[in-house]
Amino acid sequence: GAVVSQHPSWVICKSGTSVKIECRSLDFQATTMFWYRQFPKQSLMLMATSNEGSKATYEQGVEKDKFLINHASLTLSTLTVTSAHPEDSSFYICSALDRGSEQYFGPGTRLTVT
Amino acid sequence: AQSVTQPDIHITVSEGASLELRCNYSYGATPYLFWYVQSPGQGLQLLLKYFSGDTLVQGIKGFEAEFKRSQSSFNLRKPSVHWSDAAEYFCAVGVGVNDMRFGAGTRLTVKP
Repeated sequence: GAVVSQHPSWVICKSGTSVKIECRSLDFQATTMFWYRQFPKQSLMLMATSNEGSKATYEQGVEKDKFLINHASLTLSTLTVTSAHPEDSSFYICSALDRGSEQYFGPGTRLTVT
Repeated sequence: AQSVTQPDIHITVSEGASLELRCNYSYGATPYLFWYVQSPGQGLQLLLKYFSGDTLVQGIKGFEAEFKRSQSSFNLRKPSVHWSDAAEYFCAVGVGVNDMRFGAGTRLTVKP
């Protein structure tokens, strides 16, 4: 089946720094990727939809200047958390949409901001 | 308003017992329906999905789900639970694959 990877799997950073998370579709091309955020013991909340070659579409309440998304190729989307703060600590999950219109999820990235 | 409800936050079953996880939705039209499983610290794995056709859907790992339009439900079932089934289960719905909303999740604990 289709595989989506995320890097890093976990990261610890200091408050005020920026962190980049990569999402790659390994064996298929994805014109659309999604970024989700999951708080402990809670559901996934869609943050933004990332389309290759165009600006991401952010969900209401998500700061686009804080969560920068770049989808530069058909196999890579990146999420950069800028000026991270402890409240940004969370589990970030990406998914990629294949031609069959199914979302394949990455393993997630745990971000801890100290 | 569009919503997805998983009424049970946590369910405990004995190994070998049957399982049913509930999912109800509120959408303007019949949406696409999904069940995912998430192990601790992991991403989501698709168990099964319903787009149209037969309302009883078979998935991986011995799971099945039944779409009941009259009840706006898509409950997940398994006749005999294994210890490895302990995980978090999410129901998801959407009117298209670009519009997926997740339920709050049900945590399954399996007793020996």
